[in-house]
Amino acid sequence: GNSVTQMEGPVTLSEEAFLTINCTYTATGYPSLFWYVQYPGEGLQLLLKATKADDKGSNKGFEATYRKETTSFHLEKGSVQVSDSAVYFCALSEGYDKIIFGKGTRLHILP
Amino acid sequence: DAGVTQSPTHLIKTRGQHVTLRCSPISGHKSVSWYQQVLGQGPQFIFQYYEKEERGRGNFPDRFSARQFPNYSSELNVNALLLGDSALYLCASSLFGTQGTRSTEAFFGQGTRLTVV
Repeated sequence: GNSVTQMEGPVTLSEEAFLTINCTYTATGYPSLFWYVQYPGEGLQLLLKATKADDKGSNKGFEATYRKETTSFHLEKGSVQVSDSAVYFCALSEGYDKIIFGKGTRLHILP
Repeated sequence: DAGVTQSPTHLIKTRGQHVTLRCSPISGHKSVSWYQQVLGQGPQFIFQYYEKEERGRGNFPDRFSARQFPNYSSELNVNALLLGDSALYLCASSLFGTQGTRSTEAFFGQGTRLTVV
């Protein structure tokens, strides 16, 4: 079945450091790929998405590229801020809004 | 505009009891999905409803059921609660669901935190 695997956390970085959170997926078709973010005490927010191979999703300085050949969708940001501290979920959807999530990566940014 | 609203925000129940969770989608959204998020894990898909019909079901026991009303709001019901049902229950709404095309964006509510004791 379809699945998402992302790097385990927590990830702790200093402010202005470069961030990479790895994500790989297994899917039988051509899924859409997402990164969601969950801030403390809040629900899930869509951070960015890509709907086909080689698409790059971007938002708030975060980027991820849909790599079909490596079945990956790694999240990157060039310079993180304390306010980026949250849990990040990689996810895929093949239809009918059934979204399959990874286990999440907790990110701590130190000032 | 109001986002996806869920009620109650927190709930404590005893093993064996029944619980009903409610979700109001964003105005104009016809698709509602439910997810269970156990502490430290990613959300797991439970149900999806579109135009009051069940369109998808995850790997959950029959103790879990849901329905969607004519105004597109939805209820999730869980019978015979177990300790393992303690989780954050998330509702998501979207404009159309997929209906054979690429999914439109799903917007999540803040969830209902259910604790079973």
